[in-house]
Amino acid sequence: DAKTTQPNSMESNEEEPVHLPCNHSTISGTDYIHWYRQLPSQGPEYVIHGLTSNVNNRMASLAIAEDRKSSTLILHRATLRDAAVYYCILRDRQGAQKLVFGQGTRLTINP
Amino acid sequence: DGGITQSPKYLFRKEGQNVTLSCEQNLNHDAMYWYRQDPGQGLRLIYYSQIVNDFQKGDIAEGYSVSREKKESFPLTVTSAQKNPTAFYLCASTPEGQGRIGELFFGEGSRLTVL
Repeated sequence: DAKTTQPNSMESNEEEPVHLPCNHSTISGTDYIHWYRQLPSQGPEYVIHGLTSNVNNRMASLAIAEDRKSSTLILHRATLRDAAVYYCILRDRQGAQKLVFGQGTRLTINP
Repeated sequence: DGGITQSPKYLFRKEGQNVTLSCEQNLNHDAMYWYRQDPGQGLRLIYYSQIVNDFQKGDIAEGYSVSREKKESFPLTVTSAQKNPTAFYLCASTPEGQGRIGELFFGEGSRLTVL
């Protein structure tokens, strides 16, 4: 079973910020938080990952709660191309493991 | 360019036939994964492999088989025992090992339709 919980869908407007939440209350100390997104009929693509500190890259920002039981992916200015399904997963730094995806959040961007 | 190649992109199969989906990567990644996706649903793990000649069942392995004879290749066979094989199949790879938390790289997927 997936170790993360996300809302099924969210909606936002173009050029506005979007905050996508993810709950991972059973996270262990060795788990990294990874985010991926999937456009229709394509394979998912990596967005960002983090362990404890907030992270920024060219695509998005990742805000991690102090207790690490939740995180938020932030798209600062959404565009129509950001409409996708976003997945949050946990990865253990001890090595390869069974990587389970949940249902993800379907993000709709209104023009 | 390095990446993951899945083939074929589209495949039609008659009921009762086995079919093999190819997944090749030239990223020198250790771990490889197969996922199944049904319309409007998330990804479900079929099999994964950490190293050559080793693989583990995922959540929905029944009716599927895999092999990992080479680091670059992780083919998936959908057997006639799989009751509802029509789906979108995704292969992924990632570097693994102590302290290496690499991103997952996905192929473009193979869409299998059973007639």
